[in-house]
This record gives sequence, structure tokens and C-alpha cells, in this order.
Amino acid sequence: QKEVEQNSGPLSVPEGAIASLNCTYSDRGSQSFFWYRQYSGKSPELIMFIYSNGDKEDGRFTAQLNKASQYVSLLIRDSQPSDSATYLCAVGNQAGTALIFGKGTTLSVSS
Amino acid sequence: DGGITQSPKYLFRKEGQNVTLSCEQNLNHDAMYWYRQDPGQGLRLIYYSQIVNDFQKGDIAEGYSVSREKKESFPLTVTSAQKNPTAFYLCASSLPGSYEQYFGPGTRLTVT
Repeated sequence: QKEVEQNSGPLSVPEGAIASLNCTYSDRGSQSFFWYRQYSGKSPELIMFIYSNGDKEDGRFTAQLNKASQYVSLLIRDSQPSDSATYLCAVGNQAGTALIFGKGTTLSVSS
Repeated sequence: DGGITQSPKYLFRKEGQNVTLSCEQNLNHDAMYWYRQDPGQGLRLIYYSQIVNDFQKGDIAEGYSVSREKKESFPLTVTSAQKNPTAFYLCASSLPGSYEQYFGPGTRLTVT
């Protein structure tokens, strides 16, 4: 059974700090990695995707991928209270047919 | 205005009744998916469809059925055989060959 693991949290950071969210995956053949943000009671929203080793930046968000370590992370710089949500890590399966989701990490940003 | 719509937002049913959840998209996406989310849990794949008139079981298909007669529509039926149907149901779609899935607003089903 292919797995995606995340620390459930909650991860608490003060406003303006950097939040670091981590995810590990079991399928070494995985090639596509995604971060979704889910506010309470709402559906997930795609915020970042990364396919190659290294860093990918988009505004205040940076996704980091290390395929050798089977590790993907999301950094949120200058965290805002509006960033408070659950962040879901998702990994594409080798067949190219579906995403495998972690259980999510809850982030709380205090003002 | 392109997007994915799910209806209704909230649905209440008595145990033993079948219920159908609607999912429509006007993004011209070929692939569509149904997920289930329970409190504190990630998303679990129920069914997916890559093209019209074809669909495959996901990880937790037992007690569910789907149809894909039109590209825009992918309804999910929760049957009485589903042991624990109360959950948040999410529909998603993507372009063929793409993992980038976009979600509808979800339907919260409560069965008592």
C-alpha cells in the first residue's frame, strides 16, 4: 500500500514567521507532488506542485523536493493568520491515474 | 465562469436509502474523480473516470456506484451497502495525463 505521511500537528507559528510543513512518501517511483490548502469545512485548493528535485517558489510559498530521501516540504514565509488551514500533501501514483493524499497538517498562525 | 459544481451542499438520508450526489464541470476536463473525507483524515479515492463511458474503482469503492455518460457529469450513488456513509464527499477533475486536480465545493452527507 503506497503511503503519504504527514505530521498532523497542530503546527503553531506567530504571524510573520516561516512555517515549515513536511511530507514523506513510500513509492520511490513517484514523480509528481502537490500541496493543497483546505480551510475548515471547505474543499482542498491546489497551491503548489513540484516535479523536479530542488526548490520551487511562488510568492510566499516554496515547495522543496528530495526524491532520494522521498521527502517533500512546503515553506510559507511571512505567515499570516489567513494561512491558518490544513495542508494536504499529495503524490501522483506511478500509473498516472490518481493522487495519494496524506492526512494533512493543521497550521495555526497567531497574530 | 469555469468550475466544478456539486449539489446539494448538505444531504440528509435515512439508513437503508440510496442517495445520488451530483458533480458537474465545465472545464472541459476528461478525467473526474470522487473522494471521501472523514474528520481528521486525508482524502480516499472512491472511483475515477479518465474518459466518457469508462470508470475504475479506487481504494474504497465498495458500497458506491458511478456513471459517466457525459464528459461534464460524474454522479456518485451511495448505496445502502455502504457501511459508514456519513462523510464529506469531494469531486475533482483534471486534464488527461495531468495530476493537477481541481475540486468542487463538496457535499456533506449525513445518514442516520
